[in-house]
Amino acid sequence: AQSVSQHNHHVILSEAASLELGCNYSYGGTVNLFWYVQYPGQHLQLLLKYFSGDPLVKGIKGFEAEFIKSKFSFNLRKPSVQWSDTAEYFCAVNAVNYGQNFVFGPGTRLSVLP
Amino acid sequence: SAVISQKPSRDICQRGTSLTIQCQVDSQVTMMFWYRQQPGQSLTLIATANQGSEATYESGFVIDKFPISRPNLTFSTLTVSNMSPEDSSIYLCSVEDGAGATGELFFGEGSRLTVL
Repeated sequence: AQSVSQHNHHVILSEAASLELGCNYSYGGTVNLFWYVQYPGQHLQLLLKYFSGDPLVKGIKGFEAEFIKSKFSFNLRKPSVQWSDTAEYFCAVNAVNYGQNFVFGPGTRLSVLP
Repeated sequence: SAVISQKPSRDICQRGTSLTIQCQVDSQVTMMFWYRQQPGQSLTLIATANQGSEATYESGFVIDKFPISRPNLTFSTLTVSNMSPEDSSIYLCSVEDGAGATGELFFGEGSRLTVL
């Protein structure tokens, strides 16, 4: 079965600090990869996604993620965080040809201090 | 994109009762998904609701506990039956956008249930 792990449960940063949130998955086949964000009191929304092609993908609000197939990783990055980035971040994997079943990581709570 | 509305947004329920959550989508979709997000945890898929056929449940979830209806291509309901405090959770309706299994998921705002 697929599984998704995220390296940190809670990350606390000051504004303008750089961010990297780790995500690893366990599935040997072709995958589609996603990062979702849930701002306080709001619904989940997509930050970015990777299906194929350039392994470095750019999303909304200055976020990017890099797919490293050999490491089964899809880490999320942002060079300079803002207070408004305070949210819960979920990595998700959908194994192609494995049926419709997104598997979500446990989430990482990001707190950005003003 | 898809806009998903869920009702109720939150409720406080008594042990042993049942509650039905409604999910309305602004466009026709083939599959709708119901997720659970327990406090401090990630999302877990409960079932996939298909129009015109019975829902498909994931391991650990059964129809008697979580009956689902899907009367048309824009609407679904999830009932949490005979609730216990362990059912306190956020229940999320979701639909996929895009072709096949490659599309992203869109989520409703969730229904936060507290069972006393």
